[in-house]
Amino acid sequence: DSGVTQTPKHLITATGQRVTLRCSPRSGDLSVYWYQQSLDQGLQFLIQYYNGEERAKGNILERFSAQQFPDLHSELNLSSLELGDSALYFCASSQNTGELFFGEGSRLTVL
Amino acid sequence: GQQLNQSPQSMFIQEGEDVSMNCTSSSIFNTWLWYKQDPGEGPVLLIALYKAGELTSNGRLTAQFGITRKDSFLNISASIPSDVGIYFCAGPPRQIQGAQKLVFGQGTRLTINP
Repeated sequence: DSGVTQTPKHLITATGQRVTLRCSPRSGDLSVYWYQQSLDQGLQFLIQYYNGEERAKGNILERFSAQQFPDLHSELNLSSLELGDSALYFCASSQNTGELFFGEGSRLTVL
Repeated sequence: GQQLNQSPQSMFIQEGEDVSMNCTSSSIFNTWLWYKQDPGEGPVLLIALYKAGELTSNGRLTAQFGITRKDSFLNISASIPSDVGIYFCAGPPRQIQGAQKLVFGQGTRLTINP
């Protein structure tokens, strides 16, 4: 158990819809990261927040947005969903040591 | 953008064999991390390396931070069935306080025949 909690674990929705994925970081971790992993692919960095502020941005689509709240939990919002958005979405947190600890992921299926 | 080249992409070995995989980058990394991912789960950190030339062990796993800071390898000795999974190398291409995104290699998929 990494201490990072993600919900929901599984989500099935239709094209054009919007979903929100939630992440609670490890206790004391200020940084939250979001990664996307498509089938049999590597992990693609989406975005990082540090203590409520956006710190780094990767290949995140404009249809996607994220935020980190004062209690340090984070949400990833995916809108106007397309079939290609089907993937595992991972949240990770760290204490700024460079070591990331990952949650179990949210599996999104877009039909 | 920054890329890590990991090889081999897949390995099929017999139980008990030793395994070696490596990761290279075109740019310098100050940290190398090795993760393992089981099917349907999140990556789990195995070993973290912070100094060029550093050799670190975690049970049957040994990893080294290359002296050029552009490569790293991971060895697994006497493989067992639970070693099956995908192994990823990762590193932060730039380390600024509060901004430490990791880039990941493509992964090495390890399959073990009993």
